[in-house]
Amino acid sequence: DAMVIQNPRYQVTQFGKPVTLSCSQTLNHNVMYWYQQKSSQAPKLLFHYYDKDFNNEADTPDNFQSRRPNTSFCFLDIRSPGLGDAAMYLCATSRDRYEQYFGPGTRLTVT
Amino acid sequence: KQEVTQIPAALSVPEGENLVLNCSFTDSAIYNLQWFRQDPGKGLTSLLLIQSSQREQTSGRLNASLDKSSGRSTLYIAASQPGDSATYLCAVIGGANNLFFGTGTRLTVIP
Repeated sequence: DAMVIQNPRYQVTQFGKPVTLSCSQTLNHNVMYWYQQKSSQAPKLLFHYYDKDFNNEADTPDNFQSRRPNTSFCFLDIRSPGLGDAAMYLCATSRDRYEQYFGPGTRLTVT
Repeated sequence: KQEVTQIPAALSVPEGENLVLNCSFTDSAIYNLQWFRQDPGKGLTSLLLIQSSQREQTSGRLNASLDKSSGRSTLYIAASQPGDSATYLCAVIGGANNLFFGTGTRLTVIP
Protein backbone atom coordinates (compact mmCIF):
# COMPACT_ATOMS: atom_id res chain seq x y z
CA ASP A 1 0.00 0.00 0.00
CA ALA A 2 1.11 3.53 -0.69
CA MET A 3 2.13 5.15 2.55
CA VAL A 4 4.37 7.39 4.62
CA ILE A 5 7.10 5.50 6.45
CA GLN A 6 9.19 6.79 9.32
CA ASN A 7 12.34 5.23 10.71
CA PRO A 8 13.13 4.49 13.38
CA ARG A 9 9.88 4.35 15.33
CA TYR A 10 11.76 4.93 18.58
CA GLN A 11 15.07 6.73 18.92
CA VAL A 12 17.11 7.29 22.05
CA THR A 13 19.98 9.76 21.89
CA GLN A 14 22.27 11.42 24.38
CA PHE A 15 22.19 15.09 25.23
CA GLY A 16 24.14 16.95 22.55
CA LYS A 17 24.62 13.94 20.25
CA PRO A 18 23.41 14.58 16.68
CA VAL A 19 20.51 12.48 15.51
CA THR A 20 18.79 11.98 12.16
CA LEU A 21 15.21 10.88 11.64
CA SER A 22 14.06 9.58 8.30
CA CYS A 23 10.82 9.73 6.31
CA SER A 24 9.96 8.14 2.99
CA GLN A 25 6.79 8.10 0.93
CA THR A 26 5.37 6.09 -1.93
CA LEU A 27 2.58 8.56 -2.69
CA ASN A 28 4.70 10.66 -5.08
CA HIS A 29 3.52 13.79 -3.27
CA ASN A 30 5.41 16.99 -3.96
CA VAL A 31 5.16 18.42 -0.45
CA MET A 32 6.74 16.93 2.68
CA TYR A 33 6.41 18.26 6.21
CA TRP A 34 8.02 17.75 9.60
CA TYR A 35 6.02 18.34 12.78
CA GLN A 36 6.99 18.15 16.43
CA GLN A 37 4.39 16.97 18.91
CA LYS A 38 4.91 17.08 22.65
CA SER A 39 2.74 15.27 25.13
CA SER A 40 -0.90 16.41 25.15
CA GLN A 41 -0.16 19.16 22.63
CA ALA A 42 -1.12 19.68 19.01
CA PRO A 43 1.51 19.01 16.35
CA LYS A 44 3.69 22.03 15.59
CA LEU A 45 5.04 22.54 12.09
CA LEU A 46 8.83 22.82 11.98
CA PHE A 47 9.34 23.17 8.20
CA HIS A 48 8.23 21.81 4.88
CA TYR A 49 9.51 21.21 1.38
CA TYR A 50 7.34 22.29 -1.51
CA ASP A 51 9.02 20.38 -4.30
CA LYS A 52 12.68 21.35 -3.74
CA ASP A 53 11.90 24.63 -2.00
CA PHE A 54 12.59 24.60 1.72
CA ASN A 55 10.21 26.59 3.95
CA ASN A 56 11.26 27.10 7.54
CA GLU A 57 8.79 28.24 10.20
CA ALA A 58 9.92 31.44 11.87
CA ASP A 59 10.09 29.94 15.36
CA THR A 60 11.88 26.71 14.46
CA PRO A 61 15.21 26.62 16.33
CA ASP A 62 18.42 26.56 14.29
CA ASN A 63 19.20 23.25 15.96
CA PHE A 64 16.72 21.63 13.57
CA GLN A 65 17.68 21.10 9.95
CA SER A 66 16.19 19.15 7.07
CA ARG A 67 17.27 17.55 3.82
CA ARG A 68 15.26 16.27 0.90
CA PRO A 69 17.59 14.45 -1.51
CA ASN A 70 14.75 13.32 -3.78
CA THR A 71 10.95 13.28 -4.00
CA SER A 72 10.58 10.20 -1.85
CA PHE A 73 12.85 10.92 1.10
CA CYS A 74 13.12 13.63 3.70
CA PHE A 75 15.37 13.77 6.77
CA LEU A 76 15.19 15.68 10.02
CA ASP A 77 18.56 16.43 11.61
CA ILE A 78 18.83 17.61 15.19
CA ARG A 79 22.36 18.91 15.59
CA SER A 80 22.60 19.06 19.38
CA PRO A 81 19.52 17.60 21.03
CA GLY A 82 18.48 19.04 24.36
CA LEU A 83 16.13 17.53 26.91
CA GLY A 84 13.41 19.85 25.61
CA ASP A 85 13.61 18.23 22.18
CA ALA A 86 12.19 14.97 23.45
CA ALA A 87 8.93 14.57 21.53
CA MET A 88 7.11 12.68 18.82
CA TYR A 89 8.28 13.75 15.36
CA LEU A 90 5.71 13.38 12.61
CA CYS A 91 6.32 13.42 8.89
CA ALA A 92 3.49 14.20 6.48
CA THR A 93 3.05 14.53 2.73
CA SER A 94 0.53 16.14 0.42
CA ARG A 95 -0.13 16.93 -3.20
CA ASP A 96 0.05 20.73 -3.16
CA ARG A 97 -2.38 22.09 -0.54
CA TYR A 98 -4.60 19.05 -0.48
CA GLU A 99 -5.03 16.30 2.07
CA GLN A 100 -2.03 15.62 4.29
CA TYR A 101 -1.06 12.05 5.05
CA PHE A 102 0.94 11.34 8.18
CA GLY A 103 3.45 8.68 9.04
CA PRO A 104 3.36 6.77 12.34
CA GLY A 105 5.91 9.09 13.95
CA THR A 106 9.28 8.68 15.63
CA ARG A 107 9.37 9.05 19.39
CA LEU A 108 12.63 10.69 20.41
CA THR A 109 14.02 10.31 23.91
CA VAL A 110 16.99 12.42 25.03
CA THR A 111 19.00 11.13 27.97
CA LYS B 1 -1.69 34.37 12.93
CA GLN B 2 -4.35 31.68 12.54
CA GLU B 3 -5.68 30.27 15.80
CA VAL B 4 -7.74 27.08 15.90
CA THR B 5 -9.81 26.13 18.93
CA GLN B 6 -11.69 22.94 19.66
CA ILE B 7 -14.51 22.56 22.14
CA PRO B 8 -14.94 20.54 24.25
CA ALA B 9 -11.43 19.49 25.27
CA ALA B 10 -12.76 16.13 26.44
CA LEU B 11 -16.02 14.28 25.95
CA SER B 12 -17.40 11.04 27.34
CA VAL B 13 -20.49 9.45 25.83
CA PRO B 14 -22.22 6.07 26.09
CA GLU B 15 -21.97 3.76 23.12
CA GLY B 16 -24.58 4.39 20.43
CA GLU B 17 -24.93 8.11 20.97
CA ASN B 18 -24.56 10.65 18.19
CA LEU B 19 -22.12 13.44 18.97
CA VAL B 20 -20.72 16.66 17.59
CA LEU B 21 -17.19 18.01 17.90
CA ASN B 22 -16.60 21.69 17.29
CA CYS B 23 -13.71 23.54 15.69
CA SER B 24 -13.35 27.29 15.23
CA PHE B 25 -10.68 29.32 13.47
CA THR B 26 -9.89 33.03 13.47
CA ASP B 27 -8.83 33.64 9.86
CA SER B 28 -11.40 32.64 7.24
CA ALA B 29 -8.84 32.81 4.41
CA ILE B 30 -8.20 29.07 4.37
CA TYR B 31 -7.68 26.62 1.55
CA ASN B 32 -8.94 23.48 3.22
CA LEU B 33 -9.89 22.06 6.58
CA GLN B 34 -8.94 18.56 7.61
CA TRP B 35 -10.14 16.35 10.48
CA PHE B 36 -7.81 13.75 11.99
CA ARG B 37 -7.95 11.16 14.71
CA GLN B 38 -4.97 10.25 16.83
CA ASP B 39 -4.71 7.20 19.04
CA PRO B 40 -2.38 7.40 22.06
CA GLY B 41 1.28 7.30 21.03
CA LYS B 42 0.43 7.00 17.35
CA GLY B 43 0.48 9.16 14.25
CA LEU B 44 -2.46 11.02 12.76
CA THR B 45 -5.09 9.36 10.61
CA SER B 46 -6.89 11.58 8.14
CA LEU B 47 -10.67 11.34 8.42
CA LEU B 48 -12.08 14.00 6.13
CA LEU B 49 -10.86 16.91 4.04
CA ILE B 50 -13.22 19.76 3.21
CA GLN B 51 -12.08 22.11 0.49
CA SER B 52 -12.77 25.79 1.08
CA SER B 53 -15.46 25.82 -1.62
CA GLN B 54 -17.35 22.93 -0.04
CA ARG B 55 -19.88 22.95 2.78
CA GLU B 56 -19.62 19.35 3.96
CA GLN B 57 -18.07 15.95 3.46
CA THR B 58 -19.25 12.53 4.53
CA SER B 59 -17.45 9.26 5.13
CA GLY B 60 -19.38 6.39 6.66
CA ARG B 61 -20.64 7.46 10.09
CA LEU B 62 -18.72 10.74 9.91
CA ASN B 63 -19.98 14.03 8.54
CA ALA B 64 -17.95 17.23 8.60
CA SER B 65 -19.33 20.67 7.82
CA LEU B 66 -17.57 23.93 7.09
CA ASP B 67 -18.82 27.49 7.45
CA LYS B 68 -15.91 29.66 6.33
CA SER B 69 -17.65 32.97 6.94
CA SER B 70 -18.20 32.22 10.60
CA GLY B 71 -14.91 30.37 11.02
CA ARG B 72 -16.47 27.10 12.16
CA SER B 73 -16.43 23.42 11.39
CA THR B 74 -18.19 20.52 13.06
CA LEU B 75 -17.53 16.79 12.99
CA TYR B 76 -20.65 14.70 13.51
CA ILE B 77 -20.18 11.07 14.55
CA ALA B 78 -23.25 8.88 14.31
CA ALA B 79 -23.91 5.83 16.47
CA SER B 80 -20.62 6.08 18.37
CA GLN B 81 -18.63 2.92 19.14
CA PRO B 82 -15.87 2.19 21.69
CA GLY B 83 -13.43 2.01 18.77
CA ASP B 84 -14.10 5.69 18.10
CA SER B 85 -12.30 6.57 21.34
CA ALA B 86 -9.34 8.75 20.37
CA THR B 87 -8.28 12.37 20.18
CA TYR B 88 -9.83 14.26 17.29
CA LEU B 89 -7.91 17.14 15.78
CA CYS B 90 -9.04 19.68 13.24
CA ALA B 91 -6.53 21.59 11.16
CA VAL B 92 -6.82 24.39 8.64
CA ILE B 93 -4.52 24.67 5.67
CA GLY B 94 -3.30 28.21 5.15
CA GLY B 95 -1.77 30.09 2.27
CA ALA B 96 1.80 29.15 3.17
CA ASN B 97 0.96 25.48 2.80
CA ASN B 98 1.09 24.85 6.54
CA LEU B 99 -1.42 23.27 8.83
CA PHE B 100 -2.67 25.07 11.92
CA PHE B 101 -3.90 22.50 14.38
CA GLY B 102 -6.58 22.81 16.98
CA THR B 103 -6.06 21.78 20.56
CA GLY B 104 -7.99 18.52 20.07
CA THR B 105 -10.99 16.83 21.67
CA ARG B 106 -10.33 13.62 23.59
CA LEU B 107 -13.32 11.35 23.03
CA THR B 108 -14.18 8.36 25.19
CA VAL B 109 -17.04 6.11 24.16
CA ILE B 110 -18.20 3.99 27.08
CA PRO B 111 -19.40 0.47 26.23
